[in-house]
Amino acid sequence: AQSVTQLGSHVSVSEGALVLLRCNYSSSVPPYLFWYVQYPNQGLQLLLKYTSAATLVKGINGFEAEFKKSETSFHLTKPSAHMSDAAEYFCAVSERGSQGNLIFGKGTKLSVKP
Amino acid sequence: DAMVIQNPRYQVTQFGKPVTLSCSQTLNHNVMYWYQQKSSQAPKLLFHYYDKDFNNEADTPDNFQSRRPNTSFCFLDIRSPGLGDAAMYLCATSRGLAGEKAYNEQFFGPGTRLTVL
Repeated sequence: AQSVTQLGSHVSVSEGALVLLRCNYSSSVPPYLFWYVQYPNQGLQLLLKYTSAATLVKGINGFEAEFKKSETSFHLTKPSAHMSDAAEYFCAVSERGSQGNLIFGKGTKLSVKP
Repeated sequence: DAMVIQNPRYQVTQFGKPVTLSCSQTLNHNVMYWYQQKSSQAPKLLFHYYDKDFNNEADTPDNFQSRRPNTSFCFLDIRSPGLGDAAMYLCATSRGLAGEKAYNEQFFGPGTRLTVL
């Protein structure tokens, strides 16, 4: 069965530093891949998605992610962290040909220090 | 703006007292999902509707039921809430397109936080 692994349940960076949140998937057939952000007491907001076009995907709020088939990875990055980026981030996959059920990683909580 | 709306945002109920959470969407999507999310955990899918077809996850307790009277609305009924049912409940929608090339991102509502006293 498909699974998603997010390394690091909690990541802390300084304001202005690089943000790197890791996500690996298990499928041998590249799935559709998503990153969602969740602020406290809010729903999930889509940051970006990979749907087999460009391997480098740009999203909202300055985030981007690169799909690497050889590494079965879809890590999320942002060159310079802002205080407002503090939130929980979820990586999710959806198998091709499915109706769209998402399989979520366990999430990574990002803290940004001033 | 097209969106997913959940009411209420915060719901307090008593142990064993039935409660209904509601979700509506203006996206005209085929699929509507209900998730339960406990603190510091990923959302857990309870069930979803593809149009009127109901799909229950195998481990969803019988205490949880759902209704979808039309395309726009979907309800989550908790028949006898226990303390362990206190959580954030998220509604989501997707287009539900079929086919190998169809990707179906999900659009989430703001959630309803349920407290059980």
